[in-house]
Amino acid sequence: IAGITQAPTSQILAAGRRMTLRCTQDMRHNAMYWYRQDLGLGLRLIHYSNTAGTTGKGEVPDGYSVSRANTDDFPLTLASAVPSQTSVYFCASSETGVGNQPQHFGDGTRLSIL
Amino acid sequence: DQQVKQNSPSLSVQEGRISILNCDYTNSMFDYFLWYKKYPAEGPTFLISISSIKDKNEDGRFTVFLNKSAKHLSLHIVPSQPGDSAVYFCAASHNYGGSQGNLIFGKGTKLSVKP
Repeated sequence: IAGITQAPTSQILAAGRRMTLRCTQDMRHNAMYWYRQDLGLGLRLIHYSNTAGTTGKGEVPDGYSVSRANTDDFPLTLASAVPSQTSVYFCASSETGVGNQPQHFGDGTRLSIL
Repeated sequence: DQQVKQNSPSLSVQEGRISILNCDYTNSMFDYFLWYKKYPAEGPTFLISISSIKDKNEDGRFTVFLNKSAKHLSLHIVPSQPGDSAVYFCAASHNYGGSQGNLIFGKGTKLSVKP
């Protein structure tokens, strides 16, 4: 089934450790996004990529980095995890980075930082 | 400051009745609005959208209304079904500048449809 695959589905991590959340899509979409969802705050954009080789900062980029080496993969890295990064992380994609298009989401990674 | 607001955290309706979910926005540059539905432990699923050049878009039981002068949109579900019970997110985007295409989400409204 075409769509977005996120891994792992959940993770418990000690503070200070490095962690990479994986995201792969098979829809050949040009644009990809990372969001975090926190209770009472909805979804907030962390980083985005309008096409392979380019990335941009969203609303809450601090403490996170991304790379977009190819069309299909968009990993999110926490270089040194902190408890405030405990959240549910969603990856999404859309055909292009231009407006007026829906984004399609993966099922998320639940991350707990202790 | 929140650009997309969903002021009702929750809504409860009876099966078969109409559900109306509301959303307000502050950025007059937004020109595309979407509704997403989210079940627990799943990602948000795109439901319906509307461009700012329209005031209504309908898809089966779901209709979205846009009032640009009031910066307000609403999602109507008729008739409501128990399977509609989920969290509904309103989102908006604009088509200019470096952040074009990026979605701004509201905090969500949890809809409960009772049999």
